[in-house]
Amino acid sequence: DAGVTQSPTHLIKTRGQQVTLRCSPISGHKSVSWYQQVLGQGPQFIFQYYEKEERGRGNFPDRFSARQFPNYSSELNVNALLLGDSALYLCASSLALGGEKLFFGSGTQLSVL
Amino acid sequence: GIQVEQSPPDLILQEGANSTLRCNFSDSVNNLQWFHQNPWGQLINLFYIPSGTKQNGRLSATTVATERYSLLYISSSQTTDSGVYFCAVHSGTYKYIFGTGTRLKVLA
Repeated sequence: DAGVTQSPTHLIKTRGQQVTLRCSPISGHKSVSWYQQVLGQGPQFIFQYYEKEERGRGNFPDRFSARQFPNYSSELNVNALLLGDSALYLCASSLALGGEKLFFGSGTQLSVL
Repeated sequence: GIQVEQSPPDLILQEGANSTLRCNFSDSVNNLQWFHQNPWGQLINLFYIPSGTKQNGRLSATTVATERYSLLYISSSQTTDSGVYFCAVHSGTYKYIFGTGTRLKVLA
């Protein structure tokens, strides 16, 4: 079975632009979480989706939004990009909610110039 | 919120050496995972260990939930063990909280 897949791998944007990142979870997993990892730090939680509903949101501005589709894949959208949004964006899938085991994709490296 | 601290922050070893990485957390947790982040950024699951001891080859982990810490042991280290090791805890909310990480470099 395929693992968690994310696209694109790398992305370069300029300030003010909008970006959409995509994630496909492991087959059978119904929950997708998004994390932001700034260089030199641990991943920070952004969103969790389960059964197409938002189940948790971290301390990020409203410029960040996400959704989950009927096939459990997910998109993360960031509007009005700032230089500080430059980071590795990681998607994790798990079977369900709660403290289930997380499996991470290889991430999308976003650079905002 | 819960605080997760890891030590040491940086570690340099000669190939073949053993090491112990520590993860302390400030409140009770119901789950804990250890990850290895390779130089390409991929987070690889090592252990899912809310309590007790587990072993997988040269790696083992112990979580003592009542004392709020977990240990990751690496024996006979190899250069491929280099990278950053994170622990992440789940305390009953919707998210995992990651620690500060231990950056390990194994020299040939």
